[in-house]
Amino acid sequence: DAKTTQPPSMDCAEGRAANLPCNHSTISGNEYVYWYRQIHSQGPQYIIHGLKNNETNEMASLIITEDRKSSTLILPHATLRDTAVYYCIVSPPNFGNEKLTFGTGTRLTIIP
Amino acid sequence: EAQVTQNPRYLITVTGKKLTVTCSQNMNHEYMSWYRQDPGLGLRQIYYSMNVEVTDKGDVPEGYKVSRKEKRNFPLILESPSPNQTSLYFCASSYWGYEQYFGPGTRLTVT
Repeated sequence: DAKTTQPPSMDCAEGRAANLPCNHSTISGNEYVYWYRQIHSQGPQYIIHGLKNNETNEMASLIITEDRKSSTLILPHATLRDTAVYYCIVSPPNFGNEKLTFGTGTRLTIIP
Repeated sequence: EAQVTQNPRYLITVTGKKLTVTCSQNMNHEYMSWYRQDPGLGLRQIYYSMNVEVTDKGDVPEGYKVSRKEKRNFPLILESPSPNQTSLYFCASSYWGYEQYFGPGTRLTVT
């Protein structure tokens, strides 16, 4: 699986858009970009994933560059409840062991 | 409500006393998995199961056992717990190729 690089921490003001970058320069053509988050010590929570095109759901937007070497997760209107560690994971579709390889992630702090 | 449940949520036990952490999902997922999370080491996969009666080792299976007799349940068994198994444990499930749902976690302390 491709390696990902994320900043260790970021701050964002409440109500503003939080933009979390992820570098995955060694990504392969069939690998998806997944984002999960972990609030305190709760179970990780799926946010969004994509292959090539930008994706949006009720939680966030995912912008993937045209060369697919990096992506940005956007939380459009951050709230205090979005304070968490955010993990960018690159993984091929694997109809077998669906193991997720979590890196160190980005600790996002939303500031009131 | 779609969910993964784990029990117990917190457990303090002594070395060598067998224990089982249960995991149950109500989404009819084929795939289930166990992870442990330790400071500085992130989440590491212990065991996984692709369907009923199909299980396999993850990255750190030593000291653990699992079983998958029913689709919804995937218990984690520690036959003889040791202090190095003190950790935060998560169960996860999914359909193949789709997002994974994680349980709330079980914090285990072995003294």
